[in-house]
Amino acid sequence: QKEVEQNSGPLSVPEGAIASLNCTYSDRGSQSFFWYRQYSGKSPELIMSIYSNGDKEDGRFTAQLNKASQYVSLLIRDSQPSDSATYLCAVLEGGYQKVTFGTGTKLQVIP
Amino acid sequence: DTEVTQTPKHLVMGMTNKKSLKCEQHMGHRAMYWYKQKAKKPPELMFVYSYEKLSINESVPSRFSPECPNSSLLNLHLHALQPEDSALYLCASSPGTGVSGEQYFGPGTRLTVT
Repeated sequence: QKEVEQNSGPLSVPEGAIASLNCTYSDRGSQSFFWYRQYSGKSPELIMSIYSNGDKEDGRFTAQLNKASQYVSLLIRDSQPSDSATYLCAVLEGGYQKVTFGTGTKLQVIP
Repeated sequence: DTEVTQTPKHLVMGMTNKKSLKCEQHMGHRAMYWYKQKAKKPPELMFVYSYEKLSINESVPSRFSPECPNSSLLNLHLHALQPEDSALYLCASSPGTGVSGEQYFGPGTRLTVT
């Protein structure tokens, strides 16, 4: 069973701070990695994808990938109360047959 | 049109009922997915359709029967469900020629089995 692991949280950060969300995966053949945001009672929404080692920035979001360490992270700068949600890490398994979701990290941004 | 729609939003059904969930997208995506999500858990893949053909069935019980009538529509037929099948059922689609992690989710159908 290929695994994607996240700390379930909740991760509490003050408004304006940087939130750091982490994810590790077991399948060394994985090449594609994704972050989804899910508000309570809503469906997941894709916010970032990353395919190469290093950083990828999109607005206040930065995804970081280290394939050697099998580690993906998401940084949210200038966190806002509206960022309060569960963040799901997702990994496309080697062979491109299936996406496995992590259990999610609940983020709370305190005003 | 950049959204995935699902109907109904809510469904309550008895264990002897037959019902169907419907999903529609008009983004030209050729891969479509059904997921089941229980509270405080991640989405759990049920089925994948690629080019209207079933490509993945994650050992889902036969009381769930998927159907892909055309490239825009995906149905999930339900029969003789159990109370533990109560969950949020999510449909998603993705661009490209096969399974992708860049998935666009519909709002879901919240199913309660009584």
